[in-house]
Amino acid sequence: DTEVTQTPKHLVMGMTNKKSLKCEQHMGHRAMYWYKQKAKKPPELMFVYSYEKLSINESVPSRFSPECPNSSLLNLHLHALQPEDSALYLCASSQESLAGDEQFFGPGTRLTVL
Amino acid sequence: AQSVTQPDIHITVSEGASLELRCNYSYGATPYLFWYVQSPGQGLQLLLKYFSGDTLVQGIKGFEAEFKRSQSSFNLRKPSVHWSDAAEYFCAVGHPSGGSYIPTFGRGTSLIVHP
Repeated sequence: DTEVTQTPKHLVMGMTNKKSLKCEQHMGHRAMYWYKQKAKKPPELMFVYSYEKLSINESVPSRFSPECPNSSLLNLHLHALQPEDSALYLCASSQESLAGDEQFFGPGTRLTVL
Repeated sequence: AQSVTQPDIHITVSEGASLELRCNYSYGATPYLFWYVQSPGQGLQLLLKYFSGDTLVQGIKGFEAEFKRSQSSFNLRKPSVHWSDAAEYFCAVGHPSGGSYIPTFGRGTSLIVHP
């Protein structure tokens, strides 16, 4: 199984809502990532988890809260988002987080904040 | 600091024609270089990567790339393009950060294929 799955595919939420994005992989990878991608732009790294510990937070606002309950799962909890947070949120995983490690990407969650 | 430049925002080719997408990088040490492809509404898929050895790298879907240190380039090529190759292509350089190795992506090149 070389797949990264993400749920939901689409999410529409208001600025006062609380929602969560979910990512799952069963490749035994020990590094997982969250990216944000706006239309016609490259992915921007948000968070990196290595061995279930947060190793990188790219100065992401606290309204985004990541969680790694186990080595296969990665969540992104959303609260009090702004319309400019509307984007495609991509999850990825890699064997570890070493030079040359290939990242496997999920299909993304298309988030719209009203 | 590391950076990646993809000078072409759009490239249009006819089906069956050859393709070259340009990528220039800036990195102080030996670079770890990647090409990813993204179809509309999808995640990214790795086409190929380079970090040592033969400077001509073969990838999936008939793509290849050549690393040229003297030109700081890692251009992607395909001899005959298929309509299904229409997508966004991202070049990336991997670099260490906070104990991890993460990619810095170029802005992307959108490939349009005419029948």
